[in-house]
Amino acid sequence: GAGVSQSPRYKVAKRGQDVALRCDPISGHVSLFWYQQALGQGPEFLTYFQNEAQLDKSGLPSDRFFAERPEGSVSTLKIQRTQQEDSAVYLCASSPRILGETQYFGPGTRLLVL
Amino acid sequence: QQQVKQSPQSLIVQKGGIPIINCAYENTAFDYFPWYQQFPGKGPALLIAIRPDVSEKKEGRFTISFNKSAKQFSLHIMDSQPGDSATYFCAALSGGGGADGLTFGKGTHLIIQP
Repeated sequence: GAGVSQSPRYKVAKRGQDVALRCDPISGHVSLFWYQQALGQGPEFLTYFQNEAQLDKSGLPSDRFFAERPEGSVSTLKIQRTQQEDSAVYLCASSPRILGETQYFGPGTRLLVL
Repeated sequence: QQQVKQSPQSLIVQKGGIPIINCAYENTAFDYFPWYQQFPGKGPALLIAIRPDVSEKKEGRFTISFNKSAKQFSLHIMDSQPGDSATYFCAALSGGGGADGLTFGKGTHLIIQP
């Protein structure tokens, strides 16, 4: 079956530009997570949705980062006024469970801010 | 504050050998410990996971050993193959819900030489 998909796969943005990253989770999965992975590092948690409710956004690095999942399926991570330090791979994961176990990851969006 | 410490950072093993990757944690609220495998340009893929009430779990060539008192766990790969060359991440999740996402180690870059 189809896994988690993310688009675009690569994004180059000029500093100050707004970007939107899309995640299509596995159909029927309740939980959706966003992670940020810097080069050579492990993923770091950004935010968590249970259906359409954003239950935790404690990992978002600044108020320039915003995520939504309005209908409980597709999610969008938006970064306003991008900075060079935002350059990273942004990973989306979904899980059929509300406890966050068994997370399936998408391929990620590689963001480069120039 | 690094909540999950992973070692070694890199590892080279001959084909057929048994690479061992170790992780240690401090947060006693963690109660789910997965291992992920990541190839370049791909998202992490779940390999195997364990809970603290079990000291060992095997799935195919992958084994997790868990020492609750020492707050340590490790991944063993039996009969390693060049196709196992990848970056491996340990992770942990706290009980009571997945709202805070997985906490990852920094990763181990594994090379299996033919």
